[in-house]
Amino acid sequence: AQSVTQLGSHVSVSEGALVLLRCNYSSSVPPYLFWYVQYPNQGLQLLLKYTSAATLVKGINGFEAEFKKSETSFHLTKPSAHMSDAAEYFCALNQAGTALIFGKGTTLSVSS
Amino acid sequence: GAGVSQSPSNKVTEKGKDVELRCDPISGHTALYWYRQRLGQGLEFLIYFQGNSAPDKSGLPSDRFSAERTGESVSTLTIQRTQQEDSAVYLCASSPADRNYGYTFGSGTRLTVV
Repeated sequence: AQSVTQLGSHVSVSEGALVLLRCNYSSSVPPYLFWYVQYPNQGLQLLLKYTSAATLVKGINGFEAEFKKSETSFHLTKPSAHMSDAAEYFCALNQAGTALIFGKGTTLSVSS
Repeated sequence: GAGVSQSPSNKVTEKGKDVELRCDPISGHTALYWYRQRLGQGLEFLIYFQGNSAPDKSGLPSDRFSAERTGESVSTLTIQRTQQEDSAVYLCASSPADRNYGYTFGSGTRLTVV
C-alpha cells in the first residue's frame, strides 16, 4: 500500500537559514508527488509537483524539491527562510485512479 | 468560478443534528474530493468523485457520512446524527481529469459539534 511519511512534525529555523522538510514515500508504482502549504485558517496551496519529468522540481516562493527514487524521498528545501514561510507543509502522493494521500504535515516556524 | 468555493465557512451544531456541507468546484474540473482535517492532524481522505464513474467512498468513516455530486458540478457532504468527534475542518478540492495538475482546495468548512 502507498503511504507518505513526513519526518518531524515541527521544524524551527532562523530567518535566512536553510529550510529542509523531509518526506519519504512508499509506492508500488512510480508515483506523482506534491508539496502543499497551508497558512492559518486557509485551504491548501500547491507549492510544487513531481510528475516523472525532471527530478529537481522548482516551485513557488523559492522552494524546490528533489525526487530520489533510490531513497524513496522527496524532500522540500529553500535556501533562505523568510518570516512569511511560517506555515504547515504537507507532502502528498498520487497514483492513477486514487485520491491524494497526505502525510501528517510539518509545521515550520521562522524566528527573527 | 475562479476557485473552489465551500459553504458555510463555519458551522456550529448540536450533537445528534444533521449537517450539510457544500462544495462548488472549479468549472470544468471533472474530479472532486472531500477530506477531513482534525485539529493538529493531517488530511484524512473521505470520498472521491471522477466524472460519471461510481465514487470512491473508501474513506468515509461510518454510514453517518454520505456525499452526492450532480454531474460535474456541486457536491454536498452530509453528516447525520453528528457526534463530537466529527468536529473538524472539512476540505473540498477539485482537479482536471489529468492528475498532472494537482488539486485546487477550497478554504474549508469548520464544523463544531457541541
